[in-house]
Amino acid sequence: DQQVKQNSPSLSVQEGRISILNCDYTNSMFDYFLWYKKYPAEGPTFLISISSIKDKNEDGRFTVFLNKSAKHLSLHIVPSQPGDSAVYFCAANNAGNMLTFGGGTRLMVKP
Amino acid sequence: GAGVSQSPSNKVTEKGKDVELRCDPISGHTALYWYRQSLGQGLEFLIYFQGNSAPDKSGLPSDRFSAERTGGSVSTLTIQRTQQEDSAVYLCASSLRTGGVFDEQYFGPGTRLTVT
Repeated sequence: DQQVKQNSPSLSVQEGRISILNCDYTNSMFDYFLWYKKYPAEGPTFLISISSIKDKNEDGRFTVFLNKSAKHLSLHIVPSQPGDSAVYFCAANNAGNMLTFGGGTRLMVKP
Repeated sequence: GAGVSQSPSNKVTEKGKDVELRCDPISGHTALYWYRQSLGQGLEFLIYFQGNSAPDKSGLPSDRFSAERTGGSVSTLTIQRTQQEDSAVYLCASSLRTGGVFDEQYFGPGTRLTVT
């Protein structure tokens, strides 16, 4: 049973526009959420996170929104740049030792 | 400073053989994690080491998988009698484990294992 799901395997966006990546989860015990970015042949790198006590966290061009009632979070990138093209994973933590990852969304930003 | 390193970067092995994958965490990081990513899937937690505590093995898929961490630093993930479904990218991560809400995990580049 997948506890964290990213239902869009890929997303294509024009440079300068907004990219919105979505993530849904089922475990109400998750209390910390993260987005990781992964380039080919490299390990994932941390991008942005949000605690369950917040509904929004912003860092430059990246904003994460959390809707606890809907068990949904999203990552907004604006404006999108070609260098943002990568696979994005959302992950969730419930104060334990492990992260539970979604399946990833491949973002392609076209110049 | 140096990040998390893993070796080998690629490993092709025959079904039934044993393999060892190595992870060198960031110096000073007390926590070490192993994950794997099968084709088209997300990252799956395998095992977690924290200091001298007993490891959290709850993610290991079968008893063919084992891992050790020597001297609180380098870790080796061993897969015995490999099967084709073991083919995946095996990722190692480390973190400081300062005891906060969450400690950022820094990932290595992974080892791509192919079982033929």
